[in-house]
Amino acid sequence: NAGVTQTPKFRILKIGQSMTLQCTQDMNHNYMYWYRQDPGMGLKLIYYSVGAGITDKGEVPNGYNVSRSTTEDFPLRLELAAPSQTSVYFCASRTQGSGNTIYFGEGSWLTVV
Amino acid sequence: ELKVEQNPLFLSMQEGKNYTIYCNYSTTSDRLYWYRQDPGKSLESLFVLLSNGAVKQEGRLMASLDTKARLSTLHITAAVHDLSATYFCAVDMAVGNEKLTFGTGTRLTIIP
Repeated sequence: NAGVTQTPKFRILKIGQSMTLQCTQDMNHNYMYWYRQDPGMGLKLIYYSVGAGITDKGEVPNGYNVSRSTTEDFPLRLELAAPSQTSVYFCASRTQGSGNTIYFGEGSWLTVV
Repeated sequence: ELKVEQNPLFLSMQEGKNYTIYCNYSTTSDRLYWYRQDPGKSLESLFVLLSNGAVKQEGRLMASLDTKARLSTLHITAAVHDLSATYFCAVDMAVGNEKLTFGTGTRLTIIP
């Protein structure tokens, strides 16, 4: 069972570079989320999607973009990377409805230098 | 804007003792989640609480929800070292607007 798969697991970026964090889920979940977790802190919502073609901003969207062209994929794009984007990024998914479990990916460790 | 606060932020306790972690949230919701995170790892789902008065137990952990007080508790009974981790609560905004908002986390260390 693959669940939620994130790639890459580790990445070092230089300031000003761009990259895409990939997230794929094979559970046919319509809700997907991107969170970031800074060291010793909680999770902050970057973007979320309630279905293919629909995305919305979370708490900390600046510097990021997302797309949701299919149910399975929810990539997160970092444009012009900054040191403040050094963090661990988690993708998550779940089905719509009350009480359903949210499944998290393993995380992507990103360092911007 | 929904705010979720946990306390304490850090908790160091001896094996065999009991303790409670508190999760307060700022707006009406009847869906609350508890997660565990080990260092360098992803989040593991512990409990989903869906109604006022809901109580769930798994091993030495018991979670409860009081929607009127906007409060959830995670009670640890006779702590063992394996329970050392960071515990997060999270709350849904509302049906149809399910932006899951996380608390600040409680870093629990169990001392032998």
